[in-house]
Amino acid sequence: ETGVTQSPTHLIKTRGQQVTLRCSSQSGHNTVSWYQQALGQGPQFIFQYYREEENGRGNFPPRFSGLQFPNYSSELNVNALELDDSALYLCASSFRGASYNEQFFGPGTRLTVL
Amino acid sequence: KQEVTQIPAALSVPEGENLVLNCSFTDSAIYNLQWFRQDPGKGLTSLLLIQSSQREQTSGRLNASLDKSSGRSTLYIAASQPGDSATYLCAVNTGNQFYFGTGTSLTVIP
Repeated sequence: ETGVTQSPTHLIKTRGQQVTLRCSSQSGHNTVSWYQQALGQGPQFIFQYYREEENGRGNFPPRFSGLQFPNYSSELNVNALELDDSALYLCASSFRGASYNEQFFGPGTRLTVL
Repeated sequence: KQEVTQIPAALSVPEGENLVLNCSFTDSAIYNLQWFRQDPGKGLTSLLLIQSSQREQTSGRLNASLDKSSGRSTLYIAASQPGDSATYLCAVNTGNQFYFGTGTSLTVIP
């Protein structure tokens, strides 16, 4: 069973640019969530996708957007990058059926905005 | 708005000690609570998930309890080992949002 994978591992961008981060969910999972983790802080929930639809969103501006594909993999897109977007971006997958089940996290993508 | 607090922020114990980490949340309308560990610069590793209808879960040396009405959860680690050194995070699921605490940084001294 393959776990949650993310790409790329590290990324350096300049202010104003756009970035796309990718996540492959664990086999059998139908839900993907994205988080931003600044240094020394707990992860902040960005949004969740369930069956290809956004199913909940944290306090992030619209320049943070996402997609979920039929194979349940997902992308996080960030437009007009700002210096404060520098963080570890984490993706988590889970199976949502009659109940909300355990989330499993990928290793993260470290984004640096210069 | 849901707020999750973890106390203490940091903890240092000698090897072999039993210890308790605390997590509190302000809104009891949750579906579940999950405990994670995070090693520096790494992703999160799931430790235990407690559904809102459950009171506790156990895995090996770990035991997590949940008191939804008082907005509290504890993670009990028995016979701590140096390999347990990491940051421990709790997260609550309110259905369409997830809220994390800022974590407890644990150091187990050999």
